[in-house]
Amino acid sequence: GQQLNQSPQSMFIQEGEDVSMNCTSSSIFNTWLWYKQDPGEGPVLLIALYKAGELTSNGRLTAQFGITRKDSFLNISASIPSDVGIYFCAGQDSGYALNFGKGTSLLVTP
Amino acid sequence: DADVTQTPRNRITKTGKRIMLECSQTKGHDRMYWYRQDPGLGLRLIYYSFDVKDINKGEISDGYSVSRQAQAKFSLSLESAIPNQTALYFCAIQGSNQPQHFGDGTRLSIL
Repeated sequence: GQQLNQSPQSMFIQEGEDVSMNCTSSSIFNTWLWYKQDPGEGPVLLIALYKAGELTSNGRLTAQFGITRKDSFLNISASIPSDVGIYFCAGQDSGYALNFGKGTSLLVTP
Repeated sequence: DADVTQTPRNRITKTGKRIMLECSQTKGHDRMYWYRQDPGLGLRLIYYSFDVKDINKGEISDGYSVSRQAQAKFSLSLESAIPNQTALYFCAIQGSNQPQHFGDGTRLSIL
């Protein structure tokens, strides 16, 4: 499987700040997914993107499927302490497999 | 009830032992997956199954085997565990035209 380039690796922000993270790939994907993982739990789906250029929101979260189909970003607005966790991007081509990024660790300080 | 249940949640064992990790689902989905997560490496696919008795190798299948004898259950075995198989293991399920949905994982430590 192909490893995606996810950045930044970690972020330390203050409560209320906005957050942006992104993933890039050398290959085209048909689907981009963003997951969040809390300690001791499995990844939980935040947003799924199925079309190039698609911009989708889920509460304070907004994600976009890049026009080239090789990248995606996730924004979190007005961060709160419960946003703490590890965020993973995942790309899926025409097959079955998900290719995961290495994750962005987010820490929110009050 | 959780859609995906993994057992055990934690396991410590010794090198050379045979270990089985279980995954069961309540959603009736055909597709099931086993992933391994190591610090700083994200998730990597070990095996996947699209139906009962259908078995397919993923990116890192060496040293592992799986069994899908029923639609709701997909088990992962380590025939002879070695320390570098210490990791978090996740099972995922997927319905038609839906994203993959993960269980809460099994933390496996091999001494």
